[in-house]
Amino acid sequence: DTEVTQTPKHLVMGMTNKKSLKCEQHMGHRAMYWYKQKAKKPPELMFVYSYEKLSINESVPSRFSPECPNSSLLNLHLHALQPEDSALYLCASSQAQPYEQYFGPGTRLTVT
Amino acid sequence: AQTVTQSQPEMSVQEAETVTLSCTYDTSESDYYLFWYKQPPSRQMILVIRQEAYKQQNATENRFSVNFQKAAKSFSLKISDSQLGDAAMYFCAYRSPGTYKYIFGTGTRLKVLA
Repeated sequence: DTEVTQTPKHLVMGMTNKKSLKCEQHMGHRAMYWYKQKAKKPPELMFVYSYEKLSINESVPSRFSPECPNSSLLNLHLHALQPEDSALYLCASSQAQPYEQYFGPGTRLTVT
Repeated sequence: AQTVTQSQPEMSVQEAETVTLSCTYDTSESDYYLFWYKQPPSRQMILVIRQEAYKQQNATENRFSVNFQKAAKSFSLKISDSQLGDAAMYFCAYRSPGTYKYIFGTGTRLKVLA
């Protein structure tokens, strides 16, 4: 199984809402990533978890809160987002050694 | 700091023809990894090909091959016998060993003409 799944596929939320994005992989990968991608741009790294510990936080605003409950799951909690946070949010995973990442299909987020 | 440059924002190729996408990078490291990723419109990003810097042999994956020129810091992707399904955004990426951070280029949008 070489699949990374993400739910939901689409999400529309108001600026006062609280929502969560979910990512799951069953490849035994010990590193998991959140990226933000705007249209026609490369992915921007937000967070990296390695062995369920946060290892990289790219100075992301606190309205984004990651969580890694176990080695297969990664969540991104969203609160008080701004319209400029509308984007495609990608999850990825990789082995602990720095080889290739496997990406999920993404969650298309719209903040109204 | 490392940088990755893709100088071709958009390219077109006729079906069944060959196209080469360019990527250059800047680094002071001697060991690293390079990747090409493909992102079709509204679809998942997938790995096309990977190259380890310590390997002199150019990586190949079916119709996809790279021309890795370490001294020139160049990593171009050649797509042979282009197919309509190859139409996508292609990203070149760099990764240092021992780090989880990828550095992506700005991407090249490839159009395949029937």
